[in-house]
Amino acid sequence: QKEVEQNSGPLSVPEGAIASLNCTYSDRVSQSFFWYRQYSGKSPELIMSIYSNGDKEDGRFTAQLNKASQYVSLLIRDSQPSDSATYLCAATPLSGGYNKLIFGAGTRLAVHP
Amino acid sequence: KAGVTQTPRYLIKTRGQQVTLSCSPISGHRSVSWYQQTPGQGLQFLFEYFSETQRNKGNFPGRFSGRQFSNSRSEMNVSTLELGDSALYLCASSRTGTGTEAFFGQGTRLTVV
Repeated sequence: QKEVEQNSGPLSVPEGAIASLNCTYSDRVSQSFFWYRQYSGKSPELIMSIYSNGDKEDGRFTAQLNKASQYVSLLIRDSQPSDSATYLCAATPLSGGYNKLIFGAGTRLAVHP
Repeated sequence: KAGVTQTPRYLIKTRGQQVTLSCSPISGHRSVSWYQQTPGQGLQFLFEYFSETQRNKGNFPGRFSGRQFSNSRSEMNVSTLELGDSALYLCASSRTGTGTEAFFGQGTRLTVV
């Protein structure tokens, strides 16, 4: 099992809908999780960090961490065409990782008008 | 507040040459990590520097090396370039600690011909 796994997509949602992006992780990663957005040809941009079990909201974004099921998700409410990008889930290793990030392959999101 | 600055933005090198990339972290951030991004392998961790010391290293050959200066600026070097080294090289800046949020620079696009 890969340490961090994501469905590569594309995930296609209509404008105004909720986009739900999921990520599962193995026992080899820690409890620090991050969601990045990457537009084509650009560098990753941090959207959310989540460290505790439960939900964390920031504007239209909600990150959810479920330690028992070993998954972390990102919900985007009122999706806009400008949200179309690749969303990367990242986690830190369980031990000795310091600030090392292990990334999933990313999920491509397409929001259509 | 200035973000992470990477130079140069684009590079074209010939096989066998060497290259040095530079990264200036966010002011006050002392941790600098380097990543390689390719379409086939995604984002992969190269190494992390903190207080001028490499404290974590990814699974890359010894041709990839780096260093950090007392002002936290970092450089990475790739010697004896191979075609497969063509990639987007990203630098990430983090505060002191473990599992803290990482902010990426714009990246250096390296093409080896």
